Amino acid sequence: SQTIHQWPATLVQPVGSPLSLECTVEGTSNPNLYWYRQAAGRGLQLLFYSVGIGQISSEVPQNLSASRPQDRQFILSSKKLLLSDSGFYLCAWTLGSNQPQHFGDGTRLSIL
Amino acid sequence: AQSVSQHNHHVILSEAASLELGCNYSYGGTVNLFWYVQYPGQHLQLLLKYFSGDPLVKGIKGFEAEFIKSKFSFNLRKPSVQWSDTAEYFCAVSASGGSYIPTFGRGTSLIVHP
Repeated sequence: SQTIHQWPATLVQPVGSPLSLECTVEGTSNPNLYWYRQAAGRGLQLLFYSVGIGQISSEVPQNLSASRPQDRQFILSSKKLLLSDSGFYLCAWTLGSNQPQHFGDGTRLSIL
Repeated sequence: AQSVSQHNHHVILSEAASLELGCNYSYGGTVNLFWYVQYPGQHLQLLLKYFSGDPLVKGIKGFEAEFIKSKFSFNLRKPSVQWSDTAEYFCAVSASGGSYIPTFGRGTSLIVHP
């Protein structure tokens, strides 16, 4: 069966520090991969998605970037975190347009 | 581009009450429709989905949703809620075919009192 792993679960970082959140999927091949930010009362904001290795599309220009170095690995990064980057980040995967998304457990990021 | 509106942001019910959460979307083409649920402290998971066929779809835990194409709606229903249904509910829409970029509603927080 397919599983998705996202880590760390929580992270506290100072302003200006770098960020790396990792997401891996097991049990499937060539998934579409997604990074979302979830804010209370605002739903899920799509940040990045990827349909293949090295293929990244950005939905919202901001202080973050994403990379897909391997088929089932999706990384969310920042060179210098801002206070506004605080939030709850979710990784998800799907196999196609007629398939539901499967979500990771999320990372709670707090910037001090 | 599609958009999704969930009109009820916070709903509070007593156990055994009936539930209906509204979801309306805007998109001119064929759509795939989803309801996801996020129980406290857990990850988002699929409640039910509609791709084609019978517009009344049944999901897990006694939930159902009806796709009304003329109203661009996909409302979620449950005849009798339980305390364990306390959660946040998200409606999502994607255009059929092509790359899969869903659009989510803002979510509805449901609290069920025992």
